[in-house]
Amino acid sequence: NAGVTQTPKFRVLKTGQSMTLLCAQDMNHEYMYWYRQDPGMGLRLIHYSVGEGTTAKGEVPDGYNVSRLKKQNFLLGLESAAPSQTSVYFCASSYLSGSYEQYFGPGTRLTVT
Amino acid sequence: AQSVAQPEDQVNVAEGNPLTVKCTYSVSGNPYLFWYVQYPNRGLQFLLKYITGDNLVKGSYGFEAEFNKSQTSFHLKKPSALVSDSALYFCAVRDLTDSWGKLQFGAGTQVVVTP
Repeated sequence: NAGVTQTPKFRVLKTGQSMTLLCAQDMNHEYMYWYRQDPGMGLRLIHYSVGEGTTAKGEVPDGYNVSRLKKQNFLLGLESAAPSQTSVYFCASSYLSGSYEQYFGPGTRLTVT
Repeated sequence: AQSVAQPEDQVNVAEGNPLTVKCTYSVSGNPYLFWYVQYPNRGLQFLLKYITGDNLVKGSYGFEAEFNKSQTSFHLKKPSALVSDSALYFCAVRDLTDSWGKLQFGAGTQVVVTP
């Protein structure tokens, strides 16, 4: 099993450009999450999904959109990138019930200039 | 609303000495508690969790944590630290009343183990 994978690993954008981050999991997890990690702030939840076709806002959703068209994939979009979105982005997934812990991808380091 | 506090930005310990990383939490209901570790340029790795039962839980790499309901704490411990334990450690809490499995993370504690 590959677990949780993220593409790309690194990206540099100019202000105003758009991009999509892809998260894929092969563990048949129902729940998927997008976080951003900034120094001294831990991980903050951007958006999450509790199943195919269902998404919800987390703690810091502004400037981001998500889609979950297939159970195994969760996409994070930036429509018009801003320097404040420079961060490391992590995707995670978990089962609906049972073990409860989240499994994390390796991260995407995004720089917006 | 749930919250997690990790009062120490950094913990320094000599190899072979005991390691403790502190965590306190606040939730409206009963908590699920987790510890994760992050090595440089890597994603978070699950270490251990408290769901119910014995207050002392054991996890990966020789780590353990003690759930203390009265003090709302879940401190991470290792009896004898290794240089390879140097990493960023995150405590996280999930409120049982949250149906969507959302976790609230602490800001993280950098552990530095010196030879």
